[in-house]
Amino acid sequence: EAGVTQSPTHLIKTRGQQATLRCSPISGHTSVYWYQQALGLGLQFLLWYDEGEERNRGNFPPRFSGRQFPNYSSELNVNALELEDSALYLCASSGWTGSENYGYTFGSGTRLTVV
Amino acid sequence: AQTVTQSQPEMSVQEAETVTLSCTYDTSESDYYLFWYKQPPSRQMILVIRQEAYKQQNATENRFSVNFQKAAKSFSLKISDSQLGDAAMYFCAYRRAVAAGNKLTFGGGTRVLVKP
Repeated sequence: EAGVTQSPTHLIKTRGQQATLRCSPISGHTSVYWYQQALGLGLQFLLWYDEGEERNRGNFPPRFSGRQFPNYSSELNVNALELEDSALYLCASSGWTGSENYGYTFGSGTRLTVV
Repeated sequence: AQTVTQSQPEMSVQEAETVTLSCTYDTSESDYYLFWYKQPPSRQMILVIRQEAYKQQNATENRFSVNFQKAAKSFSLKISDSQLGDAAMYFCAYRRAVAAGNKLTFGGGTRVLVKP
């Protein structure tokens, strides 16, 4: 079974540009979560999508947005990039798959660097 | 709002020895889940162990075990017979039990160093 896949692995952008990060969940999982992990810090919750709808968002400005597609894959868009947006962005998925309905599976992340 | 606190930024352990990582949390919920995740240099978060709050028995997964003290809101992780591959960041996390798709709240992490 394929895990959660994220692309690209690394992304370098200039301040003011837009970045698009992609995530494909485990087959059968309908929920996708996005987290930001700045260098040396813990994971901060960004967004939660389920069944194509945004269910919850963390304390981030509106220039952080995303969407979930009918196949449950997801995009995270960051507009008007700022230097402090440089971080590892982790995607996770979960779903009602037997006893694993409360667990997350994470991808390996996208390292975004804003210069 | 729920908060998770890991008071030890870094812990060092000799290979084959035991190390215990601390985690405390704050919640008004009675039913919830607690997790320990490992993040090696490869960056991927790996689930180490989980605990359901309604279970009094502490969870165990091979060399990893937890000490869950619900009244004290404490959830420590014990790594026995430490191996070089255990070196990583360890994150404690909390999740409400209301629904399957609910966000995880993480602590700040503890870096574990394993000395050969």
